Amino acid sequence: RKEVEQDPGPFNVPEGATVAFNCTYSNSASQSFFWYRQDCRKEPKLLMSVYSSGNEDGRFTAQLNRASQYISLLIRDSKLSDSATYLCAVNKGSSYKLIFGSGTRLLVRP
Amino acid sequence: GAGVSQSPSNKVTEKGKDVELRCDPISGHTALYWYRQRLGQGLEFLIYFQGNSAPDKSGLPSDRFSAERTGESVSTLTIQRTQQEDSAVYLCASSDPGVNTEAFFGQGTRLTVV
Repeated sequence: RKEVEQDPGPFNVPEGATVAFNCTYSNSASQSFFWYRQDCRKEPKLLMSVYSSGNEDGRFTAQLNRASQYISLLIRDSKLSDSATYLCAVNKGSSYKLIFGSGTRLLVRP
Repeated sequence: GAGVSQSPSNKVTEKGKDVELRCDPISGHTALYWYRQRLGQGLEFLIYFQGNSAPDKSGLPSDRFSAERTGESVSTLTIQRTQQEDSAVYLCASSDPGVNTEAFFGQGTRLTVV
């Protein structure tokens, strides 16, 4: 089993839709969780950190489910500009090293 | 500098030649990562530095690949006897684990082996 797993997609949704991605991780000792966004032919950029209590930034909501060992990203009112690949990152157990998922591709159509 | 800097941004090399890719992390960041990303694929972990030591180099695909880091700063990734399958974008990232483990990426080096 991979340490961090994501559905590669693509998720193809119309503008205005709500879409959610999950990311599962294997190490129950992991403490740090992040969502990154990667545009085509660009480097990944941090979208948001994921806190135990969950967090929201505008149309984006990130949540952590420790019992089931996954994090989620919810995007409301999708925009064309949200089209990108979304990568999750989790630290490896008790170490600082970040492990990245392979990414979920989102396509928002007019 | 303000961010992670990588050089060169693009490199075209002939098969069999050696190449060196450079990464300047954010000042003060003790953790440094190298990843490889082939076109349309996900990030492939290569090596992780904490300070000048590399506690995890499990991702280096063959002994043609090596990396070093000096002064807890600049890192170089060396690929010897390049092959066409080495063509990819090589991304470097750094983080300051004492503050937060989030990593910041450079813009990458696009390597093309012809």
